[in-house]
Amino acid sequence: SAVISQKPSRDICQRGTSLTIQCQVDSQVTMMFWYRQQPGQSLTLIATANQGSEATYESGFVIDKFPISRPNLTFSTLTVSNMSPEDSSIYLCSVGLAGGYEQYFGPGTRLTVT
Amino acid sequence: AQSVTQLDSQVPVFEEAPVELRCNYSSSVSVYLFWYVQYPNQGLQLLLKYLSGSTLVESINGFEAEFNKSQTSFHLRKPSVHISDTAEYFCAVSDAGGTSYGKLTFGQGTILTVHP
Repeated sequence: SAVISQKPSRDICQRGTSLTIQCQVDSQVTMMFWYRQQPGQSLTLIATANQGSEATYESGFVIDKFPISRPNLTFSTLTVSNMSPEDSSIYLCSVGLAGGYEQYFGPGTRLTVT
Repeated sequence: AQSVTQLDSQVPVFEEAPVELRCNYSSSVSVYLFWYVQYPNQGLQLLLKYLSGSTLVESINGFEAEFNKSQTSFHLRKPSVHISDTAEYFCAVSDAGGTSYGKLTFGQGTILTVHP
């Protein structure tokens, strides 16, 4: 497995502002993923962030709204831009181990937009 | 495209009773299957996985799941639950290779509540 930390653990932000979420892993991993868990719902994949390549976004998510950086094999950031109350969610990063077929999740960042 | 259906949104049971959490999936390709657990106010933890080999997989805390390809199911079972098993359980599927490599599709989750 891997130890994954996220900062901040929670935040309350005003609409129209941006928040950058950090994800740190205790070992080098190629595959990292960002998910969103809206209130009372399941997890939805936002994008895949592999080191050395541009992030790949899922349908319904765009780079202008959710820019991602992946500067090295242990770190990634997700920015939620120009926030609205609909962005209030838990954002989780995960890493893919065992050839990518096992994913381990960070503790999540609980975001509330007012 | 893949999809995962967890047939029960909430399952209340009494302590020491058996439980089954149902999961069905659809996919046009071979899949890997997972169960994740989210305890109250905690992150998501991998409970067990099916990648290949025996279709019956077990976790260290007494849960088991069986991959049934013909019924496209991966139901989670435990013969005797404890209060500490109270949590939300998510079934997930990923392609076994291909362009969707590593991506997980989650079900809606099942809240298991164990009563004394």
